[in-house]
Amino acid sequence: GDSVTQMEGPVTLSEEAFLTINCTYTATGYPSLFWYVQYPGEGLQLLLKATKADDKGSNKGFEATYRKETTSFHLEKGSVQVSDSAVYFCALDRRAQKLVFGQGTRLTINP
Amino acid sequence: GAVVSQHPSWVICKSGTSVKIECRSLDFQATTMFWYRQFPKQSLMLMATSNEGSKATYEQGVEKDKFLINHASLTLSTLTVTSAHPEDSSFYICSARAKTGGGSGELFFGEGSRLTVL
Repeated sequence: GDSVTQMEGPVTLSEEAFLTINCTYTATGYPSLFWYVQYPGEGLQLLLKATKADDKGSNKGFEATYRKETTSFHLEKGSVQVSDSAVYFCALDRRAQKLVFGQGTRLTINP
Repeated sequence: GAVVSQHPSWVICKSGTSVKIECRSLDFQATTMFWYRQFPKQSLMLMATSNEGSKATYEQGVEKDKFLINHASLTLSTLTVTSAHPEDSSFYICSARAKTGGGSGELFFGEGSRLTVL
């Protein structure tokens, strides 16, 4: 079945560091791929998405490129801020019905 | 953006009682709503999918008699945890898919409801 695997957390970085959170997926066909962010005490928010191979999703300085050849959708940001501290979830949506989530990666940014 | 609101955000109940959690789409019509359960430091586990006016579809391993889902209107779905026990303590999150003319609508998530069963 469909699955999403994210890098193990927690991840702790200093402010202005470069961030990469790895995400790989297993699915038949051509799923849409998403990154969601969950700030403390809040629900999930869509951060960015890509719907086909080689698409790049971007938002708030975060980027992720849909790589079909490596079945990956790694999240990157060039310079993180304390306010980026949150839990990040990679997800896929193959049939426009149910999201399949990765296990989440907790990110902490220290000033 | 679109808003999905859950109520209550926190609830504490005694073992054996039932608890109802509401999920409302405030500014759009939701043809489909999803209920998830999230354990501490874990991912979201889909419990069930509900479509307005029809019975919910439960994921394998989810007891439909324990987790009653009602999607009475295009803006409201409810999850009732019946005869709650401490192992039902969890963070419950709903999401709603906007009704669109064609194709798949974007998913919007509620802020979650934390249930603690004593």
